[in-house]
Amino acid sequence: GENVEQHPSTLSVQEGDSAVIKCTYSDSASNYFPWYKQELGKRPQLIIDIRSNVGEKKDQRIAVTLNKTAKHFSLHITETQPEDSAVYFCAARYNAGNMLTFGGGTRLMVKP
Amino acid sequence: GAGVSQSPRYKVAKRGQDVALRCDPISGHVSLFWYQQALGQGPEFLTYFQNEAQLDKSGLPSDRFFAERPEGSVSTLKIQRTQQEDSAVYLCASSKTGTGGYNEQFFGPGTRLTVL
Repeated sequence: GENVEQHPSTLSVQEGDSAVIKCTYSDSASNYFPWYKQELGKRPQLIIDIRSNVGEKKDQRIAVTLNKTAKHFSLHITETQPEDSAVYFCAARYNAGNMLTFGGGTRLMVKP
Repeated sequence: GAGVSQSPRYKVAKRGQDVALRCDPISGHVSLFWYQQALGQGPEFLTYFQNEAQLDKSGLPSDRFFAERPEGSVSTLKIQRTQQEDSAVYLCASSKTGTGGYNEQFFGPGTRLTVL
């Protein structure tokens, strides 16, 4: 089955700096890669996603890049703000299925 | 509109008790998923329904876990003879269409199960 690794597990940045979170996946048949933000005690919420036929996608301060050859994808947050502090999860969906396989999460702390 | 809802939000059970967790997906959503999230970890897939059909139950950890969605809307996850290792947050998610679509999975707030 699919396996998703996520790094780093914790990330601390100063407000205004950029943050980068990286994930690798194992199954080349995976074709959909969402990123979720989960605040403490809250539900995961989708912040951005990318399909396997696209190399990069941007939405305001958030961007995701995908390298299918290397089987890795990354989340980039620019001009970080304290409200960006949360746990971020990457995920991959296998082509023939519907379930998501999640990474272990990255706790992002943005210091004011 | 209303999102995915789950009840109860918190459940404390004594070891050996049976529990039932409820999920109300977004109205009209075809797909429904159950995930288990242990403390400090990412959600792990348990089972998947397309309408009332359970198409994948490969993630259920043992035969003590059972899920149903008899009318293709509300779903119940039942755990029999609970064990301490069952303690986790159980997340339900729904998405608009079935297999093959690039559809966002909308998550519920989860049920935090603590087994004493």
